[in-house]
Amino acid sequence: AQSVTQLGSHVSVSEGALVLLRCNYSSSVPPYLFWYVQYPNQGLQLLLKYTSAATLVKGINGFEAEFKKSETSFHLTKPSAHMSDAAEYFCAVRRGFGNEKLTFGTGTRLTIIP
Amino acid sequence: GAVVSQHPSRVICKSGTSVKIECRSLDFQATTMFWYRQFPKQSLMLMATSNEGSKATYEQGVEKDKFLINHASLTLSTLTVTSAHPEDSSFYICSARASSEGDLQFFGPGTRLTVL
Repeated sequence: AQSVTQLGSHVSVSEGALVLLRCNYSSSVPPYLFWYVQYPNQGLQLLLKYTSAATLVKGINGFEAEFKKSETSFHLTKPSAHMSDAAEYFCAVRRGFGNEKLTFGTGTRLTIIP
Repeated sequence: GAVVSQHPSRVICKSGTSVKIECRSLDFQATTMFWYRQFPKQSLMLMATSNEGSKATYEQGVEKDKFLINHASLTLSTLTVTSAHPEDSSFYICSARASSEGDLQFFGPGTRLTVL
């Protein structure tokens, strides 16, 4: 079975500072990995996905993530935080093509300090 | 892009009543939809997989007689919480699989259910 672990349930960064949200995965087969963002009382919006192509994945809103097989990690970064980035972020894993179920991490709440 | 809607966005009901939540894919057909529930400050937990024209597949521990799922068309799935109790209060989110988008799941905005 696959799983994801998000280190740090809360992360605070200053506006303009680097954002780093950590995600480690466990999967018996090459995984598909995703980052989603959730604003209060809303559903999830896909930020980016890794599906076994390029290991550095660029997403929306200036976010990117790098798949590192040796570290079983898929950390999310953004060079310069903006106030609008304040939200809950979820890492998710899927077994790969043909398997539809997503397994979500516990989420990281990102707070931006003005 | 692929858009998924949910209705209602918020519902308050009395204990013992039933509540129906609709999930619609607005600009694509979805043979598969998923229902999740999310407790405050927690992650999404998959409840069931809804397949058009067939019975839903429920995750372990989810009561199929309590959470009735119907996927009668390629754009609509409904979740009915029967005989709701306060412990059913939660945020329910659906997603729809878009085969035209590499099987990505697109999520609805969620429904906040409060059972008094």
